[in-house]
Amino acid sequence: ETGVTQTPRHLVMGMTNKKSLKCEQHLGHNAMYWYKQSAKKPLELMFVYNFKEQTENNSVPSRFSPECPNSSHLFLHLHTLQPEDSALYLCASSQTPPGLAGGGGEQYFGPGTRLTVT
Amino acid sequence: GENVEQHPSTLSVQEGDSAVIKCTYSDSASNYFPWYKQELGKGPQLIIDIRSNVGEKKDQRIAVTLNKTAKHFSLHITETQPEDSAVYFCAAPSFLGNEKLTFGTGTRLTIIP
Repeated sequence: ETGVTQTPRHLVMGMTNKKSLKCEQHLGHNAMYWYKQSAKKPLELMFVYNFKEQTENNSVPSRFSPECPNSSHLFLHLHTLQPEDSALYLCASSQTPPGLAGGGGEQYFGPGTRLTVT
Repeated sequence: GENVEQHPSTLSVQEGDSAVIKCTYSDSASNYFPWYKQELGKGPQLIIDIRSNVGEKKDQRIAVTLNKTAKHFSLHITETQPEDSAVYFCAAPSFLGNEKLTFGTGTRLTIIP
């Protein structure tokens, strides 16, 4: 267990549905991330939150809407998705964003939500 | 931004032999290089990382080496075991406004018993 939990683990939704993915970290970290993992592609960073403030939106379509009510919880709200959005969605957290002077940045991942859009 | 290339994409190794996976990066300011292991049905797990002030770091059978001049770093697994079979990812940070990790495309390592 990495201290990062995600629910649900599997989700099948139609293109007109609205659903939400939930992530919770029990590590006392300040930064949280959403990644998309598709077959044969590198991990794609979607959103970064640092101290509950969104610091990165990696050109993600508006049908994905993140929410970070506090530094322990992160949501990804989904609506009117496309079949090509089917993927594994991973949440991660770290004490600080990576690469900052003084260390930190180690990211810990949850198990992911396997999303299938039909 | 950062560009990370990882090789090979697949690697099969006899149990007990060593495995080496290599990554190159483009941003000379990068100072933190983690390696992740992802098993089937799980998220990536951090297994070892190195910062730019050292050239090598070891943790039991796993080691990472860093060559800042050539901008490449490598994962070395010795005395491989069946449980080492997984997909391995390298990553490096980029600094253009927001610090974030850029990941390599992954290496599927298979240990042959």
